[in-house]
Amino acid sequence: AQKVTQAQTEISVVEKEDVTLDCVYETRDTTYYLFWYKQPPSGELVFLIRRNSFDEQNEISGRYSWNFQKSTSSFNFTITASQVVDSAVYFCALSEGRSNYQLIWGAGTKLIIKP
Amino acid sequence: DAGVIQSPRHEVTEMGQEVTLRCKPISGHNSLFWYRQTMMRGLELLIYFNNNVPIDDSGMPEDRFSAKMPNASFSTLKIQPSEPRDSAVYFCASSRPGHQETQYFGPGTRLLVL
Repeated sequence: AQKVTQAQTEISVVEKEDVTLDCVYETRDTTYYLFWYKQPPSGELVFLIRRNSFDEQNEISGRYSWNFQKSTSSFNFTITASQVVDSAVYFCALSEGRSNYQLIWGAGTKLIIKP
Repeated sequence: DAGVIQSPRHEVTEMGQEVTLRCKPISGHNSLFWYRQTMMRGLELLIYFNNNVPIDDSGMPEDRFSAKMPNASFSTLKIQPSEPRDSAVYFCASSRPGHQETQYFGPGTRLLVL
């Protein structure tokens, strides 16, 4: 059965520390997409990244980086030199097959960055 | 480019009243989704439209909920009559042709039914 697990309910770090948010997924499909979304305290859901199952290259965008490893069914998200503005709930999600509108969501990880 | 636009951002109403939530998808997107987010149940897909046609409404809780998409740039989600358990954040999202899986969300409407 398809599933997305974000085992870290809440993480608290001091500003400028690096932090990694874990995401483990389960699927029987060979074609799938993985996503990360950010939900800051203001409440909106912000799309961060989409990765398809055929592309295991790591991605870096500024202070954000993503590590996709099919061998461990993980799609982890690292924030380097964290800032207070990074405080948010981060959701990992999975979509199986091609252009499948049904997203399977993780429970989210609440990240608190202390000044 | 403008993102998904939702209105109102906040709504407080009394039980039994009709509530209408509005959404304008991103221009050029042909898929539209309504979600509900609560602490207990997380994010739930309520309904999915493609090219203005409802494709999957299996997530609509009950007959009190209805959604329409009269054209490519506007959708409504209506609750009539509203109940306290409908209190939640309602999100609208849209996606571009061929990429229904990549959904861009609006800011949400925070609904409180007293």
